[in-house]
Amino acid sequence: QVQLQESGPGLVKPSETLSLTCTVSGYSISSGYFWGWIRQPPGKGLEWIGSIFHSGNTYYKSSLKSRVSISVDTSKNQFSLKLSSVTAADTAVYYCARLPPNDYGSWFDPWGQGTLVTVSS
Amino acid sequence: QSVLTQPPSVSGAPGQRVTISCTGSSSNIGAVYDVHWYQQLPGTAPKLLIYKNNNRPSGVPDRFSGSKSGTSASLAISGLQAEDEADYYCQSYDSRLSGSVFGGGTKLTVL
Repeated sequence: QVQLQESGPGLVKPSETLSLTCTVSGYSISSGYFWGWIRQPPGKGLEWIGSIFHSGNTYYKSSLKSRVSISVDTSKNQFSLKLSSVTAADTAVYYCARLPPNDYGSWFDPWGQGTLVTVSS
Repeated sequence: QSVLTQPPSVSGAPGQRVTISCTGSSSNIGAVYDVHWYQQLPGTAPKLLIYKNNNRPSGVPDRFSGSKSGTSASLAISGLQAEDEADYYCQSYDSRLSGSVFGGGTKLTVL
């Protein structure tokens, strides 16, 4: 079955760029579907960050748009997140997930296990 | 403050039925957009529970059901079990924000 696994540094300094990769197994990214990033600050709720279609079309949360970039590498069956100029407010567990196409709004399934990224000097 | 509003907590005794509401607006639930629900057990990633308002993925017990009406949606859990104790989130799409939105989450306590 489809599995997703996040990877990347667990500690990022303020003002630097957070970089995470999601490796997909059991399904070829180039076959379709959207792929997304969601985060959850400690003890808080879920926040959608952005999504990318397998063709490369991207969609970002408006309040993060100036700092976010999501890309896909079909040769490695991975997609990546970059979040620039991070602050302590960006400290969160970051999840990657797959989204099926749906005319009335997609859902996230399955999810990766998540990776905690702490922003601190 | 979340775009979709959920009660912070609900509780029920084993065997009882509880419902969790998710209130939105005319740009999300009240429009044509579907509502999806997730269960997050302590220390784990969210898991899809209901998709497209009232559909259960394979493996989700039929004790879980979803509904949508107007600008709101609900998740019902019947025959409450201790293992249902978790956080529950609703999610939809918002046309004004042009992206996915989540509710703030509801903590279910099984008494």
